[in-house]
Amino acid sequence: DAGVIQSPRHEVTEMGQEVTLRCKPISGHDYLFWYRQTMMRGLELLIYFNNNVPIDDSGMPEDRFSAKMPNASFSTLKIQPSEPRDSAVYFCASSLPGPGNTIYFGEGSWLTVV
Amino acid sequence: AQSVTQPDIHITVSEGASLELRCNYSYGATPYLFWYVQSPGQGLQLLLKYFSGDTLVQGIKGFEAEFKRSQSSFNLRKPSVHWSDAAEYFCAFTGGGNKLTFGTGTQLKVEL
Repeated sequence: DAGVIQSPRHEVTEMGQEVTLRCKPISGHDYLFWYRQTMMRGLELLIYFNNNVPIDDSGMPEDRFSAKMPNASFSTLKIQPSEPRDSAVYFCASSLPGPGNTIYFGEGSWLTVV
Repeated sequence: AQSVTQPDIHITVSEGASLELRCNYSYGATPYLFWYVQSPGQGLQLLLKYFSGDTLVQGIKGFEAEFKRSQSSFNLRKPSVHWSDAAEYFCAFTGGGNKLTFGTGTQLKVEL
């Protein structure tokens, strides 16, 4: 399997622009997670889906952030409008159901907002 | 509060030396515990996990970890470190759902 695939790998954008990050989970995985990693806050879970349905979005920082999963093989994380403090690495991850199952991470989308 | 703590932000060891990275958890029952490694510019890779059974868990790349309920710990060990082990290591746990909570990470530097 190709693993979790994220795009873009790197993005530099200007403050106020819309940013869309994309993720293709591992085929057959029911759970999809979006994490954000920063030096100050470490790894934070933003939102996760089960069978395309958002289960917990309590980590989404504010209304500027939204996530969708229109089908089992695709998810997006949007930031509109973007701000410099959104600069971070955004990871998508997926897993089979059950707490003992491994969560597989993508290589991340490195976002810089200037 | 349910959490994991990694007390060491940075650790430096010499190549060939033994390694122990500390992880403590706070949870009312037996948690599901994980160690992940992140190489520079990469995503996270699972090293090993524990959720029941033998308290000494073997993982990939020669790593092992021991679950100690009495100390609320799940420390990661390796008998002989290689230069390629330089990376950031994250302890994580879940109480039974699929939602992982990560520690703040320990940055490992290996001196040649």
